[in-house]
Amino acid sequence: GAVVSQHPSWVICKSGTSVKIECRSLDFQATTMFWYRQFPKQSLMLMATSNEGSKATYEQGVEKDKFLINHASLTLSTLTVTSAHPEDSSFYICSAGMDRGGTDTQYFGPGTRLTVL
Amino acid sequence: EDKVVQSPLSLVVHEGDTVTLNCSYEVTNFRSLLWYKQEKKAPTFLFMLTSSGIEKKSGRLSSILDKKELFSILNITATQTGDSAVYLCAPSLYGQNFVFGPGTRLSVLP
Repeated sequence: GAVVSQHPSWVICKSGTSVKIECRSLDFQATTMFWYRQFPKQSLMLMATSNEGSKATYEQGVEKDKFLINHASLTLSTLTVTSAHPEDSSFYICSAGMDRGGTDTQYFGPGTRLTVL
Repeated sequence: EDKVVQSPLSLVVHEGDTVTLNCSYEVTNFRSLLWYKQEKKAPTFLFMLTSSGIEKKSGRLSSILDKKELFSILNITATQTGDSAVYLCAPSLYGQNFVFGPGTRLSVLP
């Protein structure tokens, strides 16, 4: 149980285009999903917290107009990187929270590697 | 500001060795502490620790939390090459998310 999927697993795009990444919890409902970014050899950096049916909460320094997050249902959240530039190239990981004895445990998707040319 | 420190940042051992990975934290609204293993892709869940002094075990891995001294350790005995990975420590905070440490990169040589 507790499987989270991401699609696509990798994407290459031209500068200026927009890219949408989907995150799904396959066998549980997640009221909260999280989006992270990871640059090479660095730890995960939280970008935003996504709650079903409400606006996402962005971390300081993350542009909400550039990284659009939609949490359409209890099993699906999407991250859209708008007008992508080479500096947006990174590994994007989502996670979904599952209640384990009163404490949320994060289950991570496999990640999406974005390369912007 | 919430802070998580992991040590060592990098570790190279030979198969069969035992390793201890350290995580210390200074965070507000601490709820629990989680350990993750990250290989090539996204992290996978190892342990969740909520109470001090209670060791959690899974095969050759074990972990314990000290909420008074604000640290946790992850032990791996009889290491194997498949244990090579980055191990992430992540305190969970009430009302918020997780704060990830920088990770310890473990390399197990045959």
